[in-house]
Amino acid sequence: ELKVEQNPLFLSMQEGKNYTIYCNYSTTSDRLYWYRQDPGKSLESLFVLLSNGAVKQEGRLMASLDTKARLSTLHITAAVHDLSATYFCAVDTTDKLIFGTGTRLQVFP
Amino acid sequence: DTEVTQTPKHLVMGMTNKKSLKCEQHMGHRAMYWYKQKAKKPPELMFVYSYEKLSINESVPSRFSPECPNSSLLNLHLHALQPEDSALYLCASSQDLATGGYEQYFGPGTRLTVT
Repeated sequence: ELKVEQNPLFLSMQEGKNYTIYCNYSTTSDRLYWYRQDPGKSLESLFVLLSNGAVKQEGRLMASLDTKARLSTLHITAAVHDLSATYFCAVDTTDKLIFGTGTRLQVFP
Repeated sequence: DTEVTQTPKHLVMGMTNKKSLKCEQHMGHRAMYWYKQKAKKPPELMFVYSYEKLSINESVPSRFSPECPNSSLLNLHLHALQPEDSALYLCASSQDLATGGYEQYFGPGTRLTVT
């Protein structure tokens, strides 16, 4: 059974700091997505990573994919309060997505 | 139009009621999905439709009954639900299913409470 694990599950960080969220998965896949979810809201697509070595950046967030290591990272640069949310990675297994456990990010002044 | 719409936004129903959730997209997508999400948990896949045919049923209890009347619409019929079925129900669509790699677009969700 495919497992997708995120680390950490909860992250409290100060504004202006940098940090990385990790997403490990247990089977072969070269397609991975990152989503953001605000409390009580739906999922917002952040990044689509479709090949080994893919790197995407948007604002203070940068995502990468290493299919050989079965690892994706979401790097946060100079965090701001507006980034506070829950972040999910999701692995594409061709016919469905398997979501990671989620990382709840809280950014404080 | 890159929007997936869902109605209603909120639904409160008793355990003997029958209700339906509705999802609609006009992006020409041929794959549509239902997910269930409990608080502080990731979404869990329930059903997948591909070209209006049920492709995946993740062993969902029969009190949940999906329906895809046409390529733009997806319904979820609810009957005799239990309080533990209270959750956020998310609909999503993607361009296709066969080869993967197509981004899923999520609707705003329906917050369901079963009393």
